[in-house]
Amino acid sequence: DTGVSQNPRHKITKRGQNVTFRCDPISEHNRLYWYRQTLGQGPEFLTYFQNEAQLEKSRLLSDRFSAERPKGSFSTLEIQRTEQGDSAMYLCASRLRDTQYFGPGTRLTVL
Amino acid sequence: TQLLEQSPQFLSIQEGENLTVYCNSSSVFSSLQWYRQEPGEGPVLLVTVVTGGEVKKLKRLTFQFGDARKDSSLHITAAQPGDTGLYLCAGRSNDYKLSFGAGTTVTVRA
Repeated sequence: DTGVSQNPRHKITKRGQNVTFRCDPISEHNRLYWYRQTLGQGPEFLTYFQNEAQLEKSRLLSDRFSAERPKGSFSTLEIQRTEQGDSAMYLCASRLRDTQYFGPGTRLTVL
Repeated sequence: TQLLEQSPQFLSIQEGENLTVYCNSSSVFSSLQWYRQEPGEGPVLLVTVVTGGEVKKLKRLTFQFGDARKDSSLHITAAQPGDTGLYLCAGRSNDYKLSFGAGTTVTVRA
């Protein structure tokens, strides 16, 4: 069990650019969650997959955000036309039964 | 918007002292969880409480869940510098989606 991994760990981009983050869940975990955490706040739910199906999206996930989990394994989160307000830590978690295991996150800074 | 309110926001104590952090919700969740998060890392689950009035102990940490299942507390006895971190409570819905509080930043000085 190697844990949940996320890449990159840090991303600095200019406003208006597109960015993509990757999450590799614990193997055999069929449920995968994305959260966003801004400074001084707890994580906020963005979206959730069961296998390759995206089952729920938060209203926080504007049309500039898209998430995929094409083969039910790794997942990607893409942000198009980034804005300074997108600066945050993006956390991924995977679950098999009762417990969500979080990855270390990708810290995005939009200049 | 955080559905769960945590207090205090910051707590700084000397090694060996006790501390308590609180979590209050206007909603009832299927269960409530406590996490600890270190800088640059994801949250790590400490405990899950399910039943109203439940008390769980994890070494020097004691977790209580209110009878109405809307409030919870975390008490640390004889805090150590290794207890320093951001403590988060989270309500878990039936589909296991988590709603987090804003967290309490705990600093234990040696």
